[in-house]
Amino acid sequence: KQEVTQIPAALSVPEGENLVLNCSFTDSAIYNLQWFRQDPGKGLTSLLLIQSSQREQTSGRLNASLDKSSGRSTLYIAASQPGDSATYLCAVGAGGSYIPTFGRGTSLIVHP
Amino acid sequence: GAGVSQSPSNKVTEKGKDVELRCDPISGHTALYWYRQSLGQGLEFLIYFQGNSAPDKSGLPSDRFSAERTGGSVSTLTIQRTQQEDSAVYLCASTGLAGQNTQYFGPGTRLTVL
Repeated sequence: KQEVTQIPAALSVPEGENLVLNCSFTDSAIYNLQWFRQDPGKGLTSLLLIQSSQREQTSGRLNASLDKSSGRSTLYIAASQPGDSATYLCAVGAGGSYIPTFGRGTSLIVHP
Repeated sequence: GAGVSQSPSNKVTEKGKDVELRCDPISGHTALYWYRQSLGQGLEFLIYFQGNSAPDKSGLPSDRFSAERTGGSVSTLTIQRTQQEDSAVYLCASTGLAGQNTQYFGPGTRLTVL
């Protein structure tokens, strides 16, 4: 059974810092990994989708990497802003199932 | 529509009553998922629809929960004889090709059972 862990569970940083959020998974036979953002009281918004054949994806200040062999993905946020404050979740799509497994998320606060 | 919509946005009900939650996926998306998110918990998979195939109901927590998807589009999640532990945010997501593409989520329905 796929298990997805996100570390840290919570993070508070001053504005302007570069930061890294971690996602690890136990079954390396994945077909994709997706990073989401969730604002309080809202649904999830997709940030980046990495297919199993890819090593990284970039969108603006966000960069997500994937290392299947070690079962890890990182989400790098450059020059963080207060508007980045949200919960960030990763979801892993594993072989044989169309049902992704979600981590519990990292709650990020960027203070001015 | 432009995105996934869900209704109602909030639902307060009394223990023992039945509730229906609705999800309108993005037009043309063949796969639809229901999840539940309880306070401080991760997303819990409930049920998955793909086209005209039989749904994967493996995540439904009890036989009080059921869902249908009519015409391959709108889906309704029904909870019968609601219990307080059913209180949560119910999220719906759709995708064009299950397992391959981005999941697009609706804003959720916050269910409170008194």
